[in-house]
Amino acid sequence: QSALTQPRSVSGSPGQSVTISCTGTSSDVGGYNYVSWYQQHPGKAPKLMIYDVSKRPSGVPDRFSGSKSGNTASLTISGLQAEDEADYYCCSYAGSYTLFGGGTKLTVL
Amino acid sequence: QVQLVESGGGLVKPGGSLRLSCAASGFTFSDYYMSWIRQAPGKGLEWVSYISSSSSYTNYADSVKGRFTISRDNAKNSLYLQMNSLRAEDTAVYYCARGWELGYWGQGTLVTVSS
Repeated sequence: QSALTQPRSVSGSPGQSVTISCTGTSSDVGGYNYVSWYQQHPGKAPKLMIYDVSKRPSGVPDRFSGSKSGNTASLTISGLQAEDEADYYCCSYAGSYTLFGGGTKLTVL
Repeated sequence: QVQLVESGGGLVKPGGSLRLSCAASGFTFSDYYMSWIRQAPGKGLEWVSYISSSSSYTNYADSVKGRFTISRDNAKNSLYLQMNSLRAEDTAVYYCARGWELGYWGQGTLVTVSS
């Protein structure tokens, strides 16, 4: 049960777009269309932003989008806003358990 | 609205036990898989365990298998995590979350394992 691989940090200026990658294997990310993304602000509980690779729960802005190619999933945030600054975690079903990525800190410059 | 409220955390000595609870409201609890996820201080998220809607299926992370037991009481809209043989590395905020997609999370309860 190894964690999925995410960059430790990414940054962008307001209005720009950033993409966070999440790399796994054919046994998790590549094997199922069950990748989700969570946003976590300091001291707060995580919030679901994307599920089933690219679906957005109601209330999540369409600036957030998800995709997958092979064993790598991606979260793209367009039109960056100051409130997007947070930690982001990817998550994948892996057959009989669930794996998280190590998390990516997004800094809005 | 959906609400998940964890309780039962606290300070426990290595080797000790603790039982966490998660009280659910605002949705039909018996319709959903439920999970426990933890986050060590300053670290990332780690999936701990999940249980199917009828309790027929459970699974655990290797790090807690054999020590932790997940259960639920659909009549009481409650989820539980019995934690035995606790270790220092189990120190974390423990969250309960709804559904296989972890669509809603509680605010968490802190478990500290220290002598």
